[in-house]
Amino acid sequence: QKEVEQNSGPLSVPEGAIASLNCTYSDRVSQSFFWYRQYSGKSPELIMSIYSNGDKEDGRFTAQLNKASQYVSLLIRDSQPSDSATYLCAVNGVKGAGNKLTFGGGTRVLVKP
Amino acid sequence: SQTIHQWPATLVQPVGSPLSLECTVEGTSNPNLYWYRQAAGRGLQLLFYSVGIGQISSEVPQNLSASRPQDRQFILSSKKLLLSDSGFYLCAWSVGGNSNQPQHFGDGTRLSIL
Repeated sequence: QKEVEQNSGPLSVPEGAIASLNCTYSDRVSQSFFWYRQYSGKSPELIMSIYSNGDKEDGRFTAQLNKASQYVSLLIRDSQPSDSATYLCAVNGVKGAGNKLTFGGGTRVLVKP
Repeated sequence: SQTIHQWPATLVQPVGSPLSLECTVEGTSNPNLYWYRQAAGRGLQLLFYSVGIGQISSEVPQNLSASRPQDRQFILSSKKLLLSDSGFYLCAWSVGGNSNQPQHFGDGTRLSIL
């Protein structure tokens, strides 16, 4: 069983719609959760961090965390063609391991004009 | 602000040749440093991480090695490259210790082995 799982997609979303990405993790002691955006051929870029249950909003992005159910999600509102990328979920939960992250395989998002 | 530099951006090497990739971080002290590899169309594979000078943890046994000769310098090396070493190599840093802070990536090196 993978430690961090994401649907690989592609998730096809019309321009202006909401893109909803999900991520589940297996380590119950995980404490911090991150979403990265990776454009094709580029390095991952941090877009959201979330540490406690509930919602966290930043511009058009909303991260949602439910530790009891062990999932974290990312909503992209008013999706734009420039949001077309692969979104990586990352989880930090191993104590004493220098902020090691476990990454999911990523969800590819395609926003169609 | 903190910045991370990684070079070269692109590298083409013959099988059996040596490798040295360098990464430096500016604007922070005692960072945690990481080397990842991403094969084409695949996820991120953590290769090495370091919590301090001379302290290297290896995640995957292979023909690669890493060194941290200075606080903000991280080097990935190989004595003899294999075809399977092709990929996108990424260096990352985070705030030192176990702070639950995110990692920040450099621009990466695309390595092709011929």
